[in-house]
Amino acid sequence: DAKTTQPNSMESNEEEPVHLPCNHSTISGTDYIHWYRQLPSQGPEYVIHGLTSNVNNRMASLAIAEDRKSSTLILHRATLRDAAVYYCILRSQTGANNLFFGTGTRLTVIP
Amino acid sequence: GAGVSQSPSNKVTEKGKDVELRCDPISGHTALYWYRQSLGQGLEFLIYFQGNSAPDKSGLPSDRFSAERTGGSVSTLTIQRTQQEDSAVYLCASSLYYREQGYTFGSGTRLTVV
Repeated sequence: DAKTTQPNSMESNEEEPVHLPCNHSTISGTDYIHWYRQLPSQGPEYVIHGLTSNVNNRMASLAIAEDRKSSTLILHRATLRDAAVYYCILRSQTGANNLFFGTGTRLTVIP
Repeated sequence: GAGVSQSPSNKVTEKGKDVELRCDPISGHTALYWYRQSLGQGLEFLIYFQGNSAPDKSGLPSDRFSAERTGGSVSTLTIQRTQQEDSAVYLCASSLYYREQGYTFGSGTRLTVV
């Protein structure tokens, strides 16, 4: 699977929107962009995924650049419970079957 | 059940002993994955099962590690002759379609080898 680049850490004030960036310049045309998050002492949790178009669900929004070389996970209103490590992962439709979890972005939410 | 269930939640074992970790995936999920996460580290892929196909064992770190999945449902990860470096949280995940859908992870088994 193609690799992604994320900032090691970010901070956000509570109740403010958060934009978590991810660069994936080597993405192929059939790679899905997946986001997961891992809260302290828990297993990772699926957040959202997309291919080309922006996606919205109850947890977050995913904005995908037109050239697909970057994407942004948007939390519209950060809460203390959103403090976690956020992983941006490319999911190949033809390559290895497993998801490769990099180091992710550690999000700190400030009350 | 509603989620992926793993047991035990915690396991302390003596160096050299064998351990078995169990994973109950979500009913109907055809894909099952095992990962491990050492303290403060990222997730390391171990093994993948998809339906009746041969498992992808490419992530198993040594021949002391093995896993099976019976009847396409419950999976057991076995570690023989445990070593201290095996101490980690072992996470199981399942999904409906391994390419198109997200994974659902269990809460993991924390293994401590003393």
